[in-house]
Amino acid sequence: GQQLNQSPQSMFIQEGEDVSMNCTSSSIFNTWLWYKQDPGEGPVLLIALYKAGELTSNGRLTAQFGITRKDSFLNISASIPSDVGIYFCAGQLTRGGADGLTFGKGTHLIIQP
Amino acid sequence: NAGVTQTPKFQVLKTGQSMTLQCAQDMNHEYMSWYRQDPGMGLRLIHYSVGAGITDQGEVPNGYNVSRSTTEDFPLRLLSAAPSQTSVYFCASSPPPPGKFYEQYFGPGTRLTVT
Repeated sequence: GQQLNQSPQSMFIQEGEDVSMNCTSSSIFNTWLWYKQDPGEGPVLLIALYKAGELTSNGRLTAQFGITRKDSFLNISASIPSDVGIYFCAGQLTRGGADGLTFGKGTHLIIQP
Repeated sequence: NAGVTQTPKFQVLKTGQSMTLQCAQDMNHEYMSWYRQDPGMGLRLIHYSVGAGITDQGEVPNGYNVSRSTTEDFPLRLLSAAPSQTSVYFCASSPPPPGKFYEQYFGPGTRLTVT
């Protein structure tokens, strides 16, 4: 199946630092989404991107849909303790279809005191 | 509005046993999906449904059956559990086009262990 390569696998940062993570694919995606998962919970949608080149913000989060449609990045500014969790990128291949999302393996964000 | 609910939250099965994981949503979403999540992996699609009476296979469908008799419910059946099916299972739903059907909303998950 399709694969999304997400990096880094984990990040150890200090509170207040900015965070950047990205996702790449060999396939073109029509939609990119970023989810956050807290321990013991299901993923929660953070940002959805629909157009190549689109830059979207949600509070301290900013994400961009790459122009080639094969990549996306997520930035978190001024990290706080509640940002800890696993961040997943996900892509939708077919426009108009419901054949599910392809997920990256996640970036585990750890904030050091 | 409870969103997507899943039961049970935890389950232990012996190899060969069968069981059904329940999923329900109260958002009148047409699209529903089942994913499994294994350690260090992203979520992988098992089965999905675009509406009552319609289901299709995802990336890892072997060993699982689904049916969709109502818009609200989408149960996942394990006919003969195997240790390889030990995983966390997530159900998700999304509105149909022209709604944002790719913005899937996930339930809290069912943690299944097969011994």
